[in-house]
Formats: sequence, structure tokens, C-alpha cells
Amino acid sequence: GQQVMQIPQYQHVQEGEDFTTYCNSSTTLSNIQWYKQRPGGHPVFLIQLVKSGEVKKQKRLTFQFGEAKKNSSLHITATQTTDVGTYFCAGGSSASKIIFGSGTRLSIRP
Amino acid sequence: SAVISQKPSRDICQRGTSLTIQCQVDSQVTMMFWYRQQPGQSLTLIATANQGSEATYESGFVIDKFPISRPNLTFSTLTVSNMSPEDSSIYLCSATTPTGGIGEQYFGPGTRLTVT
Repeated sequence: GQQVMQIPQYQHVQEGEDFTTYCNSSTTLSNIQWYKQRPGGHPVFLIQLVKSGEVKKQKRLTFQFGEAKKNSSLHITATQTTDVGTYFCAGGSSASKIIFGSGTRLSIRP
Repeated sequence: SAVISQKPSRDICQRGTSLTIQCQVDSQVTMMFWYRQQPGQSLTLIATANQGSEATYESGFVIDKFPISRPNLTFSTLTVSNMSPEDSSIYLCSATTPTGGIGEQYFGPGTRLTVT
């Protein structure tokens, strides 16, 4: 079945450093989404990418969808303590469900 | 967007018993889902709750163990039946809106279940 993997599993950075998480699907995706889950919280939708090669920005966050629509990345510039949490990508290859990636847990040293 | 509430927020149950989790959305939504998440792990889709008909279950999940109801557009229940310690997990419901599409899901706060 379809699998969505993320690397790294954990990332510990100094506040102000950049952070990137990568998402890879075993199959071609129709779209990809990114979610953030704060410790003890629930996943919160951040963004959806649909087009091959698409790049979207939200303030310090940059999201990319690969040309082959099988991979994606989330880059955070100059991390802040509020960025702490687990970032999940989720891939859609059908109209009826999405598959969540394994997640990358970001922790930050103040 | 949609605001989703779940209850109970947490429960401790004895093995062999059943627990029903309720999920209420503040606005009309299109699709509703139930997920399971072990602490520190990713989300695993249990089933899609279909309004007025049987839920669509993912591989490894069956109706006898996880009966789901969705009597209207804004409410769904998940029952965890004949519980064992392996059912200890966080159970989350989610929903999509008519304008958001399948990828834009709004999640409830979750129900933390511990089975002893």
C-alpha cells in the first residue's frame, strides 16, 4: 500500500537556526498537505500543495511539492520557540482519504 | 473552517468493556474521519464515517471492534468494543468542509483512552 515517509524523525536546533523536513511517497500523489501538532495538541492544517513543482510561503515557512509529485519539503527560516511541535505531511492519491507521514518532531534550544 | 469537540477527553477503562466517543462539529461538513494515534506516533486512519450508512473501514479495522455511527452531517460516534490494553491510544475525529477538500481536515482535541 501507499507509504509516506518523513526525515528526519527528530530535529533539535538552536533558536534562530533553520529547519527542514522532507516527505517522500511511494506513489505519485494528487496533492500533499502539511500539518503541525503541538505537544499535547491535535494536528492543525497548515497548507495544501497541488501542482507539480509548486512552492508556497507562509511567513517563515516555505513549502515545496516535487516535480514528480512524490516528495515535498517544509523549510522554516530562523526558528522560534513557537515552532516547536511535530510536523506531518499527508499525501492524497485518491479522493476519499489522505495518508499521514511518519512526522518530524522539532525541538528548539532557546 | 470547522470547530470540533470530542467527549470524553480522556477515560480509563477496564479490559472487556466498551467506550463510545462522541464527535460534534459546529457547522455542516462533508466528510468525517476517525483516526488513532499512539503517543509520539503518526495518525492511522480507522474509518470514514458515512452519513446514514455503514462506515468505510481501513485495512486492519473491523466494524465489530470499532462500530461507527453518523446519524447527521455534524455528529459521529466511535465505539471501541471489548477493549484490551492494546487499544490504549488517542482517538481523533476530523472533518472536511464543503470548500476545503479532502486534504484540509479539521481535528477534534482527541480522546485519550487507557485500558487497564
